[in-house]
Amino acid sequence: NAGVTQTPKFRVLKTGQSMTLLCAQDMNHEYMYWYRQDPGMGLRLIHYSVGEGTTAKGEVPDGYNVSRLKKQNFLLGLESAAPSQTSVYFCASRPGTGFYEQYFGPGTRLTVT
Amino acid sequence: QQPVQSPQAVILREGEDAVINCSSSKALYSVHWYRQKHGEAPVFLMILLKGGEQKGHEKISASFNEKKQQSSLYLTASQLSYSGTYFCGTEEGPGTYKYIFGTGTRLKVLA
Repeated sequence: NAGVTQTPKFRVLKTGQSMTLLCAQDMNHEYMYWYRQDPGMGLRLIHYSVGEGTTAKGEVPDGYNVSRLKKQNFLLGLESAAPSQTSVYFCASRPGTGFYEQYFGPGTRLTVT
Repeated sequence: QQPVQSPQAVILREGEDAVINCSSSKALYSVHWYRQKHGEAPVFLMILLKGGEQKGHEKISASFNEKKQQSSLYLTASQLSYSGTYFCGTEEGPGTYKYIFGTGTRLKVLA
């Protein structure tokens, strides 16, 4: 059981470039989340999904798009990267509503120059 | 809007106690607590549900005041391993799915 994995672990982009971050979970969880973490700001929700084929906006969705074509994968896309998107990105999953904790991936450190 | 945590940072000696507070401007259905070590992912500690149910860590306790929309995490007889950043996570209701984290509290335990 790998849990939640994220690809890549590190990435450096130039302003205006695009990229996709992949999150995969092997626990058959319904809900998946993308967060960004910046110093002093805690974890801020970007987008989330409550099931295959569904996505919804979180607190800071601008500049990001997501897709959940398969239940086990949740992709986060940056179409035109900006320096303000330099951050550590965490993906998380959970079985559903109720008495369930979130399981986090190891994070992706993204730098936009 | 993110829940606000206080204090922002705290330094303790081994064996001392600490309380971390989480306050929301919205009514809450559940509060979750996580700890994150530097360079690592957050790790689950405890869940508290509206109505008093809770599930979590043996050596760490928490309370949830639904009327005040607040939760507190109690760390007693702290150990070096308690060092890290603590986050509360909140849900506004069952089925809302949206899960928001607080601003974080940095805790350092000294020998």
